[in-house]
Amino acid sequence: NAGVTQTPKFQVLKTGQSMTLQCAQDMNHEYMSWYRQDPGMGLRLIHYSVGAGITDQGEVPNGYNVSRSTTEDFPLRLLSAAPSQTSVYFCASSYRTGREGYTFGSGTRLTVV
Amino acid sequence: AQSVTQLGSHVSVSEGALVLLRCNYSSSVPPYLFWYVQYPNQGLQLLLKYTTGATLVKGINGFEAEFKKSETSFHLTKPSAHMSDAAEYFCAVSEPVGNYGGSQGNLIFGKGTKLSVKP
Repeated sequence: NAGVTQTPKFQVLKTGQSMTLQCAQDMNHEYMSWYRQDPGMGLRLIHYSVGAGITDQGEVPNGYNVSRSTTEDFPLRLLSAAPSQTSVYFCASSYRTGREGYTFGSGTRLTVV
Repeated sequence: AQSVTQLGSHVSVSEGALVLLRCNYSSSVPPYLFWYVQYPNQGLQLLLKYTTGATLVKGINGFEAEFKKSETSFHLTKPSAHMSDAAEYFCAVSEPVGNYGGSQGNLIFGKGTKLSVKP
């Protein structure tokens, strides 16, 4: 089925470790983004991309890096994990205008100990 | 910057009762507006959206929402609650992406409202 695929679904990291959360979509969407969800905070934008080779920061970018070398993939890198990065991470994609709505992946639950 | 306010972090209704979840946004220019639903341990599913045209929007599972520009509101309603409606609901608005003309890229979310349905 077409959609947004996130891997892994669950991950436990030790403080200071690095890792990459994967996100792939097969809908030829230009726009992709990463959000984190924390209790009582809703979803907050980390980074986004409006097309291959173009990325920009959202509301809470510190501690995360992204790149967009293809239309399909938008990985999120944690450089040195901290307990404050314990959260559920969602990837989303849409066509450029956003009129059709945004499709979300099923999420990655990350715990940093 | 845009902001979205959802009144009530928890709402409880009886099965068969009216569901009303409130959402207000801050933009002076009509944005694109969305309601998403999240069931436990799942991702977000689009319930309905307003972009242009008719201000009363119908979505899935019997939900609807009305865009009221004068009140900067986009409240979500359902005439009769069902047990399966128990979930968390998020209102979101899109905002134009900075230097990337023509792109309504970024979604700004409210903090969510958890809906409980009592038998």
